[in-house]
Amino acid sequence: GQNIDQPTEMTATEGAIVQINCTYQTSGFNGLFWYQQHAGEAPTFLSYNVLDGLEEKGRFSSFLSRSKGYSYLLLKELQMKDSASYLCAVMDSNYQLIWGAGTKLIIKP
Amino acid sequence: IAGITQAPTSQILAAGRRMTLRCTQDMRHNAMYWYRQDLGLGLRLIHYSNTAGTTGKGEVPDGYSVSRANTDDFPLTLASAVPSQTSVYFCASSPYEGSNQPQHFGDGTRLSIL
Repeated sequence: GQNIDQPTEMTATEGAIVQINCTYQTSGFNGLFWYQQHAGEAPTFLSYNVLDGLEEKGRFSSFLSRSKGYSYLLLKELQMKDSASYLCAVMDSNYQLIWGAGTKLIIKP
Repeated sequence: IAGITQAPTSQILAAGRRMTLRCTQDMRHNAMYWYRQDLGLGLRLIHYSNTAGTTGKGEVPDGYSVSRANTDDFPLTLASAVPSQTSVYFCASSPYEGSNQPQHFGDGTRLSIL
């Protein structure tokens, strides 16, 4: 079966750095997406990785290792508004997105 | 503002009733999707459409049907609602199937079946 694993919940301090991990086992791989979802709202796109390595976009970076079936989302200089769920999704061989359950990130002052 | 519009925002429905969730996009995207989101689970694909006139089944299609008469609209119908269909439903679109462009999501419909 196909599986995406993420921690259920993480807590971090305002101004700090946090790394959210995602491991996957899917039938094929055509890219990995990270989305942010605030409570009661729609998911919004953060990043896309298809090749190994680090993609940096402002305070957010995403890393991919295809051989390890592993990705992480790195959030720097945390702000209170970063309190949200972060969803990892892998595009499989059928070009459908397989979604993790999401990691709820709690930011404390 | 371009995007995806879903209606209704929320609904309480008696079991056994028929319900259609509406989804309209104005981005001229070819591909559209319906997901349900339940606590502790990832988004699960119900049905999708790669282009107007075609539809396909996702991971959890039973009890749901869709149509894609034109590019903009992709309604989801529950023929006879059951309590297990209580969920948050998201419609999404992307430029085309298998796109590395991200899916854009509507604001969701919160559906409770009693």
